[in-house]
Amino acid sequence: GQNIDQPTEMTATEGAIVQINCTYQTSGFNGLFWYQQHAGEAPTFLSYNVLDGLEEKGRFSSFLSRSKGYSYLLLKELQMKDSASYLCAGMDSNYQLIWGAGTKLIIKP
Amino acid sequence: IAGITQAPTSQILAAGRRMTLRCTQDMRHNAMYWYRQDLGLGLRLIHYSNTAGTTGKGEVPDGYSVSRANTDDFPLTLASAVPSQTSVYFCASSVAQEYNEQFFGPGTRLTVL
Repeated sequence: GQNIDQPTEMTATEGAIVQINCTYQTSGFNGLFWYQQHAGEAPTFLSYNVLDGLEEKGRFSSFLSRSKGYSYLLLKELQMKDSASYLCAGMDSNYQLIWGAGTKLIIKP
Repeated sequence: IAGITQAPTSQILAAGRRMTLRCTQDMRHNAMYWYRQDLGLGLRLIHYSNTAGTTGKGEVPDGYSVSRANTDDFPLTLASAVPSQTSVYFCASSVAQEYNEQFFGPGTRLTVL
């Protein structure tokens, strides 16, 4: 079957670094996505990885290991506005996204 | 309009009633999607459309129907609502099915009593 696993909740301190892990199992693989979703709002796109390695975009970076079925999202210099849920999603061979339940990130001052 | 709009924002509905959730995008995207989001679960695909005139079933299509008469609009209909359809519904679009980024509408919060 297809499955995306990520931690339910994480807590971090403002100014610190946090890594949110995701493991995936999809029928075929056409990339791994990360989205951010603030409470009561729509998901917004953060990153896309289809090749192994690290993609950096400002304070956010995303890593992919296809052989391990593993990805992580790295958030640096955490700000209070980064408090949100982070959704991991794998794209299967039919180009459909399989979504994890999301990781709620709580930032403390 | 900029992006994707959904209507209504929220709705309380009696079980057994028919309801259509509206979704309109102005980005000329070919692909459109309907998801439901429930607490503790990931987004689940209900139906999708890769281009105007075509639709397909997602992971949880039962009790829902869609149409895609033109590029911009992708309404979702609940023929006879049941309490298990209480959820937040998101419409999304992308340039094409195989294209990376999906853009999401603001969502419709639906309660079926």
